[in-house]
Amino acid sequence: AQKVTQAQTEISVVEKEDVTLDCVYETRDTTYYLFWYKQPPSGELVFLIRRNSFDEQNEISGRYSWNFQKSTSSFNFTITASQVVDSAVYFCALSERWAAGNKLTFGGGTRVLVKP
Amino acid sequence: EAQVTQNPRYLITVTGKKLTVTCSQNMNHEYMSWYRQDPGLGLRQIYYSMNVEVTDKGDVPEGYKVSRKEKRNFPLILESPSPNQTSLYFCASSITGQGSYEQYFGPGTRLTVT
Repeated sequence: AQKVTQAQTEISVVEKEDVTLDCVYETRDTTYYLFWYKQPPSGELVFLIRRNSFDEQNEISGRYSWNFQKSTSSFNFTITASQVVDSAVYFCALSERWAAGNKLTFGGGTRVLVKP
Repeated sequence: EAQVTQNPRYLITVTGKKLTVTCSQNMNHEYMSWYRQDPGLGLRQIYYSMNVEVTDKGDVPEGYKVSRKEKRNFPLILESPSPNQTSLYFCASSITGQGSYEQYFGPGTRLTVT
């Protein structure tokens, strides 16, 4: 069964500091997809990034970057030069290519508080 | 603007009074799904639909019904709500149900059943 673990429940930083969020996943499928979502205080879920299991290239998109390592089943996410608007709960999620229902399995979330 | 909309955004109701939460997407997505979010339990899938007239149960379907008569709409029906269905509900859609595409979520519906 698929599982996503976010060990950090809450991170507090001062504006302009970098924030790295950890995500460890478990899956038996050889083809799977990893996502990061953001849930700001207003409550909606906002899609941030997606990574396929067959593509371990790490990328940077604006202030976001991610480090996907299949060998350690980790998919970490970094916000560079954090801003107050980055304060939110961040969820790592996993879906498997052949799982019924295209279900997203979410981690428990990491609450990020960026102080001015 | 490409989006998933849900209505109502907030609802307080009483036990047993049937209600429907609507969900609509304007992206011509084949796949749609409903999740509920609860403290300590996270996000769990209720029902999903791979395409029009094709629906199936997720992890927590008890007490819920859905229908998919049109591609854009995927309403969630609670025929006899109970207090344990008090939750934050999200509708989501994706290009297909193959898992490779991201799911876009609606703004959420906060339901309280007294």
